[in-house]
Parts: sequence; C-alpha cells; structure tokens
Amino acid sequence: ILNVEQSPQSLHVQEGDSTNFTCSFPSSNFYALHWYRWETAKSPEALFVMTLNGDEKKKGRISATLNTKEGYSYLYIKGSQPEDSATYLCAQNTGNQFYFGTGTSLTVIP
Amino acid sequence: DTEVTQTPKHLVMGMTNKKSLKCEQHMGHRAMYWYKQKAKKPPELMFVYSYEKLSINESVPSRFSPECPNSSLLNLHLHALQPEDSALYLCASSQQSGTYEQYFGPGTRLTVT
Repeated sequence: ILNVEQSPQSLHVQEGDSTNFTCSFPSSNFYALHWYRWETAKSPEALFVMTLNGDEKKKGRISATLNTKEGYSYLYIKGSQPEDSATYLCAQNTGNQFYFGTGTSLTVIP
Repeated sequence: DTEVTQTPKHLVMGMTNKKSLKCEQHMGHRAMYWYKQKAKKPPELMFVYSYEKLSINESVPSRFSPECPNSSLLNLHLHALQPEDSALYLCASSQQSGTYEQYFGPGTRLTVT
C-alpha cells in the first residue's frame, strides 16, 4: 500500500483569496497523479491527470504542478469562490492501481 | 452522456441478506472500478475490470463478488456482510485502465445491521 498524503487536512479562506494545497507521494513506480474535486452529495469530479515531471495543467482558476522526482504535486486556486468549497483529493496511479490521499477540505467564506 | 449511475443510493441490509449494487455507464469506457470509502478515510480500490475481465482484486473478502456482464454494466454482489462493511461504495469508469481520468458515480451508502 502506497502512502499518499495531503496537506492541510482542512482550509478556510475568504472569497477572493488564492490558496494552494499539497499532495505528496512515493516517487517510485509512478505512472500518473490525478486530482479530483468532491462536493458534498455529488460524485468526485476529475480535475487533472498528470504524468510527466514538470507538468503544469490549468482549468479556469485552478492549476496544478507535478514533481515526480521529489514526489509532490501542488494544486492552486486563484481568487477562490464559494462554489470552490469541496474536498480535493489526489490519487497516485501505478498501472491499474490507484492510491488516494485523505483529501483537503476547502471552505470558501463569502 | 458523461454520467456514471449507481443504484441504489442507499441500502440497509442484514448480515444474512443477499443484495447487489449496480453501476452503469454509456461512455464507451472499457475499464470499470469498485471503491470502498469509510468515513474520514480515502477511497480504497476493491476491483478493476478491463475489457470485461477482472484485472485487479485487492484481497477483498469473498462476501463481495463483482460481475461485469457487459462493457456498460458493473455489479457488486453482497452476501453475509459484516457491520464493518458499512461504507460508501463508489463505482468509476475510464476510457481504458491505466493513466486515464476516472468518472465516478455518486455512490451507494451501505449500512449493514
């Protein structure tokens, strides 16, 4: 079992603030790193899949970076909005296997 | 249609019951997954089907029995469960197994009494 860790566990920010959180994972046997957003009472929604060291991906105000050599990925949210409130999960993919972190719970205060 | 559907949404069953969870997708995906999630814990992979063949079975007890009748449908048959099996069961699909993004269903909340 791989140890995928996310920090912080929870975060409260004011509307308009920018924020970021971390996913750390073992760098061996790496295939891909996935980010998901999971809103309460909804299905987890895929944000990014990153495979290459140095990858940077962007979707609207959300972006992510990947460092496979040191085993971490950052997720950034620029100008947080209340609708960004959710749990953000990362998962390391090693072939067919997926190992999820426990998530970062983000609350954006209007 | 980018939706993965799961039925039922909630299920309460006794330890002697037999029930099934159902998952369906119509995106043409050839990989389907079952995950179990307990409160405050990350989702744990249980089974992976690739092209309707079971490719990963993560040492899950035999009281959980997966079935993939066709490329759109995934079932999880439950028999003689224990109270500690109470959890959220999530289904997901992806274009193929491996480094493809997964589309998740809303889950079935299972309570074993």
